[in-house]
Amino acid sequence: GNSVTQMEGPVTLSEEAFLTINCTYTATGYPSLFWYVQYPGEGLQLLLKATKADDKGSNKGFEATYRKETTSFHLEKGSVQVSDSAVYFCALNRPGSARQLTFGSGTQLTVLP
Amino acid sequence: ETGVTQSPTHLIKTRGQQVTLRCSSQSGHNTVSWYQQALGQGPQFIFQYYREEENGRGNFPPRFSGLQFPNYSSELNVNALELDDSALYLCASSLEGSNSPLHFGNGTRLTVT
Repeated sequence: GNSVTQMEGPVTLSEEAFLTINCTYTATGYPSLFWYVQYPGEGLQLLLKATKADDKGSNKGFEATYRKETTSFHLEKGSVQVSDSAVYFCALNRPGSARQLTFGSGTQLTVLP
Repeated sequence: ETGVTQSPTHLIKTRGQQVTLRCSSQSGHNTVSWYQQALGQGPQFIFQYYREEENGRGNFPPRFSGLQFPNYSSELNVNALELDDSALYLCASSLEGSNSPLHFGNGTRLTVT
């Protein structure tokens, strides 16, 4: 079946540091890949997505590239801000059903001023 | 544009009881999905509804059931509550179509004692 493995947290960085959160997946077929972010007390928000191999998703300075050969979708940001503190979830969809997402366990990011 | 709203925000129930959680879709969205997020875990797909019918289900027992109404709002019902049902329950709405992103509500925090 489908599964997503995320780098375990929590991750604590200083403002302006470089961020990488690792994500690898197992899936049948050709899923789309997503990063969602969850701020305290809020629901999930879509951060970025990629729908096919070698696609790069980007938003708000975050980037992730769909790597089929390594089954990875690592999240990166060149310079984090305090406001980026949140829980980040990597996810994939079951091919043929865009709304049936399989999530990783999440990575808590704290950015210190 | 009104986002996805869920009620109640918090709920405490006793083992063996039944509970109903409610979700109002984002305006114009005709598909609703429900997810269970245990503490410290990623969300797990429960089921989705389209045109008032269930058209996808995750690995949850039959005591988890739902409804979608003509105005696209939805309910999640859980019978015979167990302690492990304690979680954040997230509703997400979307338009029909594989490229339509999910829009999540802030969730209902259910505690079973």
